[in-house]
Amino acid sequence: QQQVKQSPQSLIVQKGGIPIINCAYENTAFDYFPWYQQFPGKGPALLIAIRPDVSEKKEGRFTISFNKSAKQFSLHIMDSQPGDSATYFCAASNNYGQNFVFGPGTRLSVLP
Amino acid sequence: GAGVSQSPRYKVAKRGQDVALRCDPISGHVSLFWYQQALGQGPEFLTYFQNEAQLDKSGLPSDRFFAERPEGSVSTLKIQRTQQEDSAVYLCASRWTGTGEQYFGPGTRLTVT
Repeated sequence: QQQVKQSPQSLIVQKGGIPIINCAYENTAFDYFPWYQQFPGKGPALLIAIRPDVSEKKEGRFTISFNKSAKQFSLHIMDSQPGDSATYFCAASNNYGQNFVFGPGTRLSVLP
Repeated sequence: GAGVSQSPRYKVAKRGQDVALRCDPISGHVSLFWYQQALGQGPEFLTYFQNEAQLDKSGLPSDRFFAERPEGSVSTLKIQRTQQEDSAVYLCASRWTGTGEQYFGPGTRLTVT
């Protein structure tokens, strides 16, 4: 019940495309859903996060869509650039983020 | 410092050796987390501190793993009698308060031979 599932495992898009990464969770106690970006040799960095009281959040080129009834959320990257090539992790937590559960990651490649 | 720092960045240990991994959080950050990240996987929660208090250690995989933060700033993750399955990147993250964004360090890559 603590697991967060993420798909696809890898994704290749052309520059300007809109990659979509999907996550699903089981634990209804989760109340905070962040997305992280990780480059090789670096720690994850927060991109955008959402709480279950809203269905969508947009920050710059990044948008989270959240479906509470389906227990699913997704990341959309608009106008993707080669510099967006990285591994993306969804995560979930409860108790205001004191115990994070991460998905297995999606390796995104944006071709020039 | 500008961010979370970890040392060493790379550590090679022979099976059975003890290792100590250090995390320097962002100054003033109250919360500190340790994660283990296996190759090609997402980070897995190990333990959480608020100031010097270890509030959650449910993710520590065995009693060979021990973490401390005695003065509420620098933290050390110690692994005793290392095993090959301990090979991973160990990430530290800090947060200003009990809520909000976690800032991750670059990690320590531990290889047990």
